[in-house]
Amino acid sequence: AQSVSQHNHHVILSEAASLELGCNYSYGGTVNLFWYVQYPGQHLQLLLKYFSGDPLVKGIKGFEAEFIKSKFSFNLRKPSVQWSDTAEYFCAVNAGNYQLIWGAGTKLIIKP
Amino acid sequence: DAGVIQSPRHEVTEMGQEVTLRCKPISGHNSLFWYRQTMMRGLELLIYFNNNVPIDDSGMPEDRFSAKMPNASFSTLKIQPSEPRDSAVYFCASSPDSYNEQFFGPGTRLTVL
Repeated sequence: AQSVSQHNHHVILSEAASLELGCNYSYGGTVNLFWYVQYPGQHLQLLLKYFSGDPLVKGIKGFEAEFIKSKFSFNLRKPSVQWSDTAEYFCAVNAGNYQLIWGAGTKLIIKP
Repeated sequence: DAGVIQSPRHEVTEMGQEVTLRCKPISGHNSLFWYRQTMMRGLELLIYFNNNVPIDDSGMPEDRFSAKMPNASFSTLKIQPSEPRDSAVYFCASSPDSYNEQFFGPGTRLTVL
C-alpha cells in the first residue's frame, strides 16, 4: 500500500535556526507532491507543491522543498525559522488518483 | 473568492442527537472531500465526491454517517445518532480536479457530550 512517512513527530528549534523536515513516500510511479501547514487552531494551507520540472520548489513564507526521485523524498526546508512558523506540517502525495496520501505530520515549535 | 465555507464552526451536542455539517466548495471545483482530524488518528478521508457523485465512501466510519452533495455548491455530512467518539474537527476540502491541490475550509469542531 502507498504510504508517506514523516520522520520526526516533534521538532523544537530556536529562532533563526535552519529547518529541514523529512518526507518519504512509497510509490514507484509518477507522483504529485505537497506540503501543507496547519497553524494552531486553523485549517490546512498549501505551502508548496511539485508536479514536474525543476525538483527544487519554492513556496510561500520562504519555504522550499526538493524532490529527489531516487530517494523517494520530498524534504521541506527553510534557512531561518521564525516564531510564527510554529505549526504542524504535513507532507502529502497524490499517486495518480483522487486520493492524497497524508503523512502523520510534524509539530514544529519555535522558541523565541 | 471566499474559499471553502463551512458551518457551523463549532458544534456542541449531546450523545444521540443528530448533527449536520455543511460545506460550500469553491466555485468551479469539481472535487469535494470530507475529512476528520483527531489527535489519535490524524487526518482521515471520509468521503470523496466528483461532479456531485460520491466516488469513495470507504472512509465513512459506519452507517451513522452519511453525506450528500445535491448540487455543485453544497454538501452536507450528517451524523445520526452522534456518539462521544465522533468528537473531532471535520474539514471539507475542494479541488479543481482530483489530482490537484485541495483547498481546505476552516473546519467544524464537533464535541459530543
